[in-house]
Amino acid sequence: SQTIHQWPATLVQPVGSPLSLECTVEGTSNPNLYWYRQAAGRGLQLLFYSVGIGQISSEVPQNLSASRPQDRQFILSSKKLLLSDSGFYLCAWSVTGGRHYEQYFGPGTRLTVT
Amino acid sequence: GQNIDQPTEMTATEGAIVQINCTYQTSGFNGLFWYQQHAGEAPTFLSYNVLDGLEEKGRFSSFLSRSKGYSYLLLKELQMKDSASYLCAVNGGYQKVTFGTGTKLQVIP
Repeated sequence: SQTIHQWPATLVQPVGSPLSLECTVEGTSNPNLYWYRQAAGRGLQLLFYSVGIGQISSEVPQNLSASRPQDRQFILSSKKLLLSDSGFYLCAWSVTGGRHYEQYFGPGTRLTVT
Repeated sequence: GQNIDQPTEMTATEGAIVQINCTYQTSGFNGLFWYQQHAGEAPTFLSYNVLDGLEEKGRFSSFLSRSKGYSYLLLKELQMKDSASYLCAVNGGYQKVTFGTGTKLQVIP
């Protein structure tokens, strides 16, 4: 069966510090991978998606970046965090060419920028 | 552009039926999802509608009208554990799913 891992679960970082969130998927090959952010009281905002190694599409211009160094590994980074980066970060995967792109979410990382 | 509207909050009584509506205006449409999200947790998949009509899955049913840009999620025999946010999301194609802001449902005794 497929599983998706995210870490850390919670993170408190000062403004201006760097960020690295990691997501890994097990039990499937060549998945589509996604990073979402959910700010308090707001919906899920798609940040990045990837259809393969080294292929990253950005949905929202910001101070975040994403990388996919391996097939089942997706990393979200920032060089300098802003207060507005606080939120619940969710990684998700879906089957490539799947019938309807149903997405399976990881447990999330709650980031607080102080 | 993508625009998805849902009520912000709803309250319903245990054992009752509740209908959560979703309207959408999107540049592409391949189907519509409903997800359930308990507080502090990740969303979990409930249903996916591609064609017009009602799809039933246990206590949950989802309806779609593509011509009207409208969907609803129907929850029957409400239980306390159904208290959660319900997210409507549109599959616009090309790996992209756009989520609404969600409807927070509170089930009361």
